[in-house]
Amino acid sequence: GENVEQHPSTLSVQEGDSAVIKCTYSDSASNYFPWYKQELGKGPQLIIDIRSNVGEKKDQRIAVTLNKTAKHFSLHITETQPEDSAVYFCAASWQGGSEKLVFGKGTKLTVNP
Amino acid sequence: GAVVSQHPSRVICKSGTSVKIECRSLDFQATTMFWYRQFPKKSLMLMATSNEGSKATYEQGVEKDKFLINHASLTLSTLTVTSAHPEDSSFYICSASWFGGRARINEQFFGPGTRLTVL
Repeated sequence: GENVEQHPSTLSVQEGDSAVIKCTYSDSASNYFPWYKQELGKGPQLIIDIRSNVGEKKDQRIAVTLNKTAKHFSLHITETQPEDSAVYFCAASWQGGSEKLVFGKGTKLTVNP
Repeated sequence: GAVVSQHPSRVICKSGTSVKIECRSLDFQATTMFWYRQFPKKSLMLMATSNEGSKATYEQGVEKDKFLINHASLTLSTLTVTSAHPEDSSFYICSASWFGGRARINEQFFGPGTRLTVL
């Protein structure tokens, strides 16, 4: 089955700096890669996603890149703000297959003012 | 985006009792709902997948007789933790997806979660 590894487990940056979180996946059939932000005591919130027919996607300060050959994808947050502090999860799934999301272990991002 | 609610948000119960958690899609019809369990500072672990009108598909290692899932309508799925024990204490999160229209394939909308504490 699919296995998703996520690094780093914790990340601390200064406000205004960029943050990068990386994930690798094992199943080449996976073709949908969402990123979720989870605040304490709340459910995950989708912040951006990418499908395998695209190499990069950007939404304001957030971008995701995908390298299908290497089976890895990354989340980039620019101009970080204290409200970006949260736990971020990457996930992978197979569109047209099981539909199940397999999550990474999460990255706790702390943005220091 | 689409909204998914869960009720209750928190529940405390005595060991041996059963607890029901509801998951509702408020502004769309969910063809599939997923139930996850999350331990403190850990990732989400998929427990089961349910499709409206059919039996849920449980992940390996999840006791189907302990975690009863009912997906009776396109907007409601319930998770019942039967004969709860302290080790069942956890954060339970549901998600819903709809293929076609507003939701793209594979996009899941998550509920806010339910904190279960078994004494």
